[in-house]
Amino acid sequence: DGGITQSPKYLFRKEGQNVTLSCEQNLNHDAMYWYRQDPGQGLRLIYYSQIVNDFQKGDIAEGYSVSREKKESFPLTVTSAQKNPTAFYLCASSVKSNQPQHFGDGTRLSIL
Amino acid sequence: QQQVKQSPQSLIVQKGGISIINCAYENTAFDYFPWYQQFPGKGPALLIAIRPDVSEKKEGRFTISFNKSAKQFSLHIMDSQPGDSATYFCAARRISGGYNKLIFGAGTRLAVHP
Repeated sequence: DGGITQSPKYLFRKEGQNVTLSCEQNLNHDAMYWYRQDPGQGLRLIYYSQIVNDFQKGDIAEGYSVSREKKESFPLTVTSAQKNPTAFYLCASSVKSNQPQHFGDGTRLSIL
Repeated sequence: QQQVKQSPQSLIVQKGGISIINCAYENTAFDYFPWYQQFPGKGPALLIAIRPDVSEKKEGRFTISFNKSAKQFSLHIMDSQPGDSATYFCAARRISGGYNKLIFGAGTRLAVHP
């Protein structure tokens, strides 16, 4: 089945630790995105990538890093510099950046 | 100018009733307005979308009404069902640095009671 797979579904981080969230898509989409969702708030854009080996900062990129070495993969690293990492993280993709975005089922990150 | 304001924050509707969710925006550069539906523990799913040159779009029980002069758009869910209970997000799209950026509203939690 075609779709966007995020793993793990739940993730726990210790203070001072970096963690990496996985996002894989088999839709052959060029563009991929990472959003953060907090209770009572809309989705906020962390990073986006329009094509392999290229990515741009979104509105809240501080404390996060990404890579786009393969078309189907766009992992997000939450670094120790992110002071409030507890949130629901959503990955999305679209055929091109001007096409509708489709979302994965998210990873919920919590701090131990 | 980048904000999209969504109301109400939560909504309770009886089965068979009409659910109405409203959004307002300021930036006239927005060119596409999608609505997403999100169930608990899942990612948002695109429900219906409209462009500003159209005043209304209907897909099944879901209708978007768009008022360009007032910079407002709304989602109407006719004959609301318990299965429609979810969080709904409006969004608006604009071009920023060659990239089409989505700005999301804060969401409306809809509960449809049997």
